[in-house]
Amino acid sequence: SQQGEEDPQALSIQEGENATMNCSYKTSINNLQWYRQNSGRGLVHLILIRSNEREKHSGRLRVTLDTSKKSSSLLITASRAADTASYFCATDGGDSSYKLIFGSGTRLLVRP
Amino acid sequence: ETGVTQTPRHLVMGMTNKKSLKCEQHLGHNAMYWYKQSAKKPLELMFVYNFKEQTENNSVPSRFSPECPNSSHLFLHLHTLQPEDSALYLCASSQEEGRETQYFGPGTRLLVL
Repeated sequence: SQQGEEDPQALSIQEGENATMNCSYKTSINNLQWYRQNSGRGLVHLILIRSNEREKHSGRLRVTLDTSKKSSSLLITASRAADTASYFCATDGGDSSYKLIFGSGTRLLVRP
Repeated sequence: ETGVTQTPRHLVMGMTNKKSLKCEQHLGHNAMYWYKQSAKKPLELMFVYNFKEQTENNSVPSRFSPECPNSSHLFLHLHTLQPEDSALYLCASSQEEGRETQYFGPGTRLLVL
């Protein structure tokens, strides 16, 4: 069964606005990662947050993790047209799995 | 550039053809992965190699045959594919097999006619 599930599936915002994407998962994890994919290209790693961390920042990115709710959010502040892409969360299976499992992604469109 | 290259970038093949996808990583990693990405579906893990040994075959049909001659190179040999195999095939690598950051190549867009 799918581990990570992003919400919303698609998001359209104006340049300069903030974009928030959510990820829910089902089993315990060691870490959760967010990746970005431009259309038809490979995925690029954005940020990794470990299960004992609650919040992490990287530039205009802010990731939170709530292990009690099995959810994470990715916030992109002051969005730019160049942020238009699909964003995926990826989780491992905790102690039972060494595989990363990706969600279906959120397609973000930032209108100039 | 992520340090992972894939060739070709685009491939069109008939169902009776045999072709190979190539992946090369310049990061000194020990684990390499093949993923399949179809429209409107999550990324599907196909194969994992760790220190040149296959450690994962995610119930992939035998018409896909991986090969890992060394830790830097990974191939995916294709034969008698079906139209539903049309997808973006992504290669990735990581320092070791597991839960850490993976670095992806740009992918090969495959169309099976």
